[in-house]
Amino acid sequence: GEEVAQTPKHLVRGEGQKAKLYCAPIKGHSYVFWYQQVLKNEFKFLISFQNENVFDETGMPKERFSAKCLPNSPCSLEIQATKLEDSAVYFCASSQSPGVETQYFGPGTRLLVL
Amino acid sequence: LAKTTQPISMDSYEGQEVNITCSHNNIATNDYITWYQQFPSQGPRFIIQGYKTKVTNEVASLFIPADRKSSTLSLPRVSLSDTAVYYCLVGDMRSSNTGKLIFGQGTTLQVKP
Repeated sequence: GEEVAQTPKHLVRGEGQKAKLYCAPIKGHSYVFWYQQVLKNEFKFLISFQNENVFDETGMPKERFSAKCLPNSPCSLEIQATKLEDSAVYFCASSQSPGVETQYFGPGTRLLVL
Repeated sequence: LAKTTQPISMDSYEGQEVNITCSHNNIATNDYITWYQQFPSQGPRFIIQGYKTKVTNEVASLFIPADRKSSTLSLPRVSLSDTAVYYCLVGDMRSSNTGKLIFGQGTTLQVKP
């Protein structure tokens, strides 16, 4: 598609429950990036993929977060045993190449952990 | 990565030109300057990118002085729909850059009627 699609738009979970977010990058884009926006303007990079391979995972919390990009499937970000501090908007972006190439962002998934 | 500093907020009126300046005092030779715009409840959107001097597109202009320690995003004749957060980012153009974007706090622009 011509836009990055993210589902669901909103997700509510109780503490300790699992949350799974999905992202379909723009067709033809090989790179997928996940970001977390906690407070109004604070973005944190989580992980990126080059096709189905992890490209940069320096921002990924190791304990409860995992992500995958499998062929012919949307990419996914999963949080096991969610905590209150995981409440945030999770954005996915895609690009044709890394570096300073423009990244195209999806509308985000708003996760609320109660 | 070079750190960026921007005003936290700015107000303007419809029809005015708005200039948002970003400081990046420790910008490196290999760094590009990129601006993104974020509307409420949406993901950031690329506006403009440059390395030096002036870049103009259909949306904005980007002015970069010779020392490249700052840059100014110029939005001509803003409208209410330009109300958004504007982020200035500095990124390494070398192949070693994995592409992760480092966002600062951004500038919240409020356009009033």
